[in-house]
Amino acid sequence: EAGVTQSPTHLIKTRGQQATLRCSPISGHTSVYWYQQALGLGLQFLLWYDEGEERNRGNFPPRFSGRQFPNYSSELNVNALELEDSALYLCASSLYGDETQYFGPGTRLLVL
Amino acid sequence: KQEVTQIPAALSVPEGENLVLNCSFTDSAIYNLQWFRQDPGKGLTSLLLIQSSQREQTSGRLNASLDKSSGRSTLYIAASQPGDSATYLCAAGSSGYSTLTFGKGTMLLVSP
Repeated sequence: EAGVTQSPTHLIKTRGQQATLRCSPISGHTSVYWYQQALGLGLQFLLWYDEGEERNRGNFPPRFSGRQFPNYSSELNVNALELEDSALYLCASSLYGDETQYFGPGTRLLVL
Repeated sequence: KQEVTQIPAALSVPEGENLVLNCSFTDSAIYNLQWFRQDPGKGLTSLLLIQSSQREQTSGRLNASLDKSSGRSTLYIAASQPGDSATYLCAAGSSGYSTLTFGKGTMLLVSP
């Protein structure tokens, strides 16, 4: 069974640009979660999507947004990139109501 | 707001030693407590999940305990091996929101 996949593995952008990160959940999982792991800050919850709807949001500005498609894959969009957005972005998936989240390998975003 | 703290931040031990990693959380109204492993530049691998009603969980050489009243969890690794070298993260799960609050992790190095 394929695990959670994320693309691209690495992304380099300049300040002010937009970044789009993609995530494909494990087959059958309807929930997708996004986390940011910035140096020195640890993993922080960004967004939770289930059945195409945003269910919960962490303490991040509105320029962090996303969506979930009918096939349950998801996109994370970061607008007006700032230097401090440089981080590893992890996606996880689960069955709705299942506490166990399965994580992908992450996308490393570097903002210059 | 839930806060999770892990001590120590780093730990270096010789192969074969038994060791304990500590995790504390401020809000005892957790849904579950999870331990993850993260290898450098990689995503997270779930190790153990303890439901709020449970006291401990075991998997192979790993044993995790949970004491909600004191806001603490420990991960015990028996007979450590060089392959155990990684960063270990604990995360407190919040009921109803399916979000995880992570500690900053303990970086473990097991030398041959």
